[in-house]
Amino acid sequence: SQTIHQWPATLVQPVGSPLSLECTVEGTSNPNLYWYRQAAGRGLQLLFYSVGIGQISSEVPQNLSASRPQDRQFILSSKKLLLSDSGFYLCAWVRVTSTDTQYFGPGTRLTVL
Amino acid sequence: QQPVQSPQAVILREGEDAVINCSSSKALYSVHWYRQKHGEAPVFLMILLKGGEQKGHEKISASFNEKKQQSSLYLTASQLSYSGTYFCGTVSMDSSYKLIFGSGTRLLVRP
Repeated sequence: SQTIHQWPATLVQPVGSPLSLECTVEGTSNPNLYWYRQAAGRGLQLLFYSVGIGQISSEVPQNLSASRPQDRQFILSSKKLLLSDSGFYLCAWVRVTSTDTQYFGPGTRLTVL
Repeated sequence: QQPVQSPQAVILREGEDAVINCSSSKALYSVHWYRQKHGEAPVFLMILLKGGEQKGHEKISASFNEKKQQSSLYLTASQLSYSGTYFCGTVSMDSSYKLIFGSGTRLLVRP
């Protein structure tokens, strides 16, 4: 069976510090991978997606970046965090986006102070 | 473009029914429904595909009107466990790699 992992589970960082969140998927190959952000009490905002190794599509221009160094690994980064980067970051995977179920990881709760 | 969900919030008594609507201005491949409990990741409920195929894992039903690009989620005989925020997500034909979510519908079921 397939599983998706995210770490860390929670993170408290000062403004201006760097960020690295990691997501890995097990039990499948060549998944489509996604990063979403959810601000407190809000909806799910798509940040980045990747349909293959080294391929990244950005949805929202901001101080975040993403990378996919391996088939089942997806990393979200920032060089300098802003207060507005606080939120619940969710990684997700799917085999075929248009017809299959997209599964979410457990999420990382980020607080920027 | 983000699909539009309505209503924004619903309060029910246990055993009552509810309908949550989702509409898009784009031609869709599929509509996906999720439920999210506070502090947790969204959990898949159902997917409705262009052409009428429906997939789901719980005793919750849904419909997809392809002509109007609208979907509805039907929660019948609601249980306390149905409380949470419901999100619809859509995959459009001009952007088949992206699942874009609506703003959510908060559902509270009271005893």
